[in-house]
Amino acid sequence: AQSVTQPDIHITVSEGASLELRCNYSYGATPYLFWYVQSPGQGLQLLLKYFSGDTLVQGIKGFEAEFKRSQSSFNLRKPSVHWSDAAEYFCAVGRYSSASKIIFGSGTRLSIRP
Amino acid sequence: ETGVTQSPTHLIKTRGQQVTLRCSSQSGHNTVSWYQQALGQGPQFIFQYYREEENGRGNFPPRFSGLQFPNYSSELNVNALELDDSALYLCASSLDGDEQYFGPGTRLTVT
Repeated sequence: AQSVTQPDIHITVSEGASLELRCNYSYGATPYLFWYVQSPGQGLQLLLKYFSGDTLVQGIKGFEAEFKRSQSSFNLRKPSVHWSDAAEYFCAVGRYSSASKIIFGSGTRLSIRP
Repeated sequence: ETGVTQSPTHLIKTRGQQVTLRCSSQSGHNTVSWYQQALGQGPQFIFQYYREEENGRGNFPPRFSGLQFPNYSSELNVNALELDDSALYLCASSLDGDEQYFGPGTRLTVT
């Protein structure tokens, strides 16, 4: 079955500290992977996506993610978080570049400690 | 360039009623997808419309239906509302199904 698991429901990090959000997926074919961010009252914003090629993907707002096929993982990282990064983060997987037929994880809520 | 807009922002309905949610896609986009996001969950794909035709559907009952108009705006209709339909409904538009741009959502509460 196709699924996305985000094992951490809520993470708190100090401002300026590094961040890693975990994502594991189960998918029958070669996956297309995404990370989205959702701030309160806002829609989803695409941070980055991976289709093929270099397994380290750079995104917006200083985020990056690494695709590890052997571990079925696509973890999101940021070297130094800012208070404005506090939000809900969703990992997602799909078949094509079309994001319409993708499966989302249940999300990880990120809080920033001053 | 106008982004994706949704209306209304919030609404409250009673179980058994019907509701229509609206979405205006981003300028130049011809594809609209709808998602349901229950509290504490990730979005779930309801269906997609491409050039006024349904182009894929998730695991939702037929009482969830939609329309896409010639200007590519879209409606989501839900009949016979149930308490579990309470959620944030997100609309996303794209060009030919490529990268999607999400609207802020409509918060539906069913009592």
